[in-house]
Amino acid sequence: AQSVTQPDIHITVSEGASLELRCNYSYGATPYLFWYVQSPGQGLQLLLKYFSGDTLVQGIKGFEAEFKRSQSSFNLRKPSVHWSDAAEYFCAVVRTGGGNKLTFGTGTQLKVEL
Amino acid sequence: DSGVTQTPKHLITATGQRVTLRCSPRSGDLSVYWYQQSLDQGLQFLIQYYNGEERAKGNILERFSAQQFPDLHSELNLSSLELGDSALYFCASSVGDGRSGEQNIQYFGAGTRLSVL
Repeated sequence: AQSVTQPDIHITVSEGASLELRCNYSYGATPYLFWYVQSPGQGLQLLLKYFSGDTLVQGIKGFEAEFKRSQSSFNLRKPSVHWSDAAEYFCAVVRTGGGNKLTFGTGTQLKVEL
Repeated sequence: DSGVTQTPKHLITATGQRVTLRCSPRSGDLSVYWYQQSLDQGLQFLIQYYNGEERAKGNILERFSAQQFPDLHSELNLSSLELGDSALYFCASSVGDGRSGEQNIQYFGAGTRLSVL
């Protein structure tokens, strides 16, 4: 069964600092990859996605993610974090060619210090 | 605003009761998905409907059922509720049924928070 690992449960960064949230997946082929963000009391908002092609993908709110096949990783990055980025971030995968069920990681809670 | 509407936002009920959660997908989306988010299980896929038909099933209890109506809205019915059913239930929608990339993108509603007392 495919799985998604987000090794960092909590991360604290200072406003203006760079950010990298880690995501590793376990699956035989390259799945579709997603990052979602959940703010308190809100639903899940799609930040970015990877299906194929260029391994560096740009998303909303200044986020980007890089797919590395050799490491089965899809890490989320942002060069300069804003206080409004404080939220929970979820990495998710969909098995290609076999339905559209999203398998989520356990999430990383981001705290931003002013 | 994702365009996916879930009602109600909050639901408080007692053990043994039955509730219905409602979801209206984005305009033009044919697939509806239900997910459960709880502290101990995280975000888990429950079930998918595509154009009125069940397409995929995940970790959905037998006490739970869902359907998608001709107007494409969906309802998730939870019965014989237990304390452990307390969770945030999300609905998501997508254009397609999962066979192509961009049409797979799922857009989520704000969720229904269910509290079973």
